[in-house]
Amino acid sequence: GENVEQHPSTLSVQEGDSAVIKCTYSDSASNYFPWYKQELGKRPQLIIDIRSNVGEKKDQRIAVTLNKTAKHFSLHITETQPEDSAVYFCAASYYNQGGKLIFGQGTELSVKP
Amino acid sequence: GAVVSQHPSWVICKSGTSVKIECRSLDFQATTMFWYRQFPKQSLMLMATSNEGSKATYEQGVEKDKFLINHASLTLSTLTVTSAHPEDSSFYICSPKRGDYGYTFGSGTRLTVV
Repeated sequence: GENVEQHPSTLSVQEGDSAVIKCTYSDSASNYFPWYKQELGKRPQLIIDIRSNVGEKKDQRIAVTLNKTAKHFSLHITETQPEDSAVYFCAASYYNQGGKLIFGQGTELSVKP
Repeated sequence: GAVVSQHPSWVICKSGTSVKIECRSLDFQATTMFWYRQFPKQSLMLMATSNEGSKATYEQGVEKDKFLINHASLTLSTLTVTSAHPEDSSFYICSPKRGDYGYTFGSGTRLTVV
């Protein structure tokens, strides 16, 4: 079935360092890969996304890369700040199944001042 | 744009009773609605997918007779948790889809069954 694996589950970095979170997906028909930041008790907030026809996308300190052959995509956060501390989720859209969005397990990022 | 209203934001109910959660897309029409459940410190788990005017499609392991989904219009969907039990206590989030890539989310409903 559809599956999205996300690693690591927890990540602790020093302020100013980079953070990388990786995800793999199971269905080669997936065509859309968003990343979300979620604070406790809140809805997920889209931080960046990438479509299957693009290999890389950047928005200021945040970038996402996609390797369709290997079926994996990664989130890169540079110059991390304490306010980046949150839980991050990757997701993959299964176009052949009504576009349902399947989430990875989540990564709790802690940025230490 | 893409404003989603989900109510209630939290609810406490007694075991054995039913609870209805409402999700509205206020400024767009959602042809597809997804419902997710999130337990503490876990991911969003897809429960079901519904299209306006059609029966919902439930994910494996989700009881369709327990979690009733109604997608009566392009702007309104409801999730009813029937005969709730403490193990149903969770954070429920609706996700109206706008176009091919417009995934939006409600603010969530914290359900506590006592």
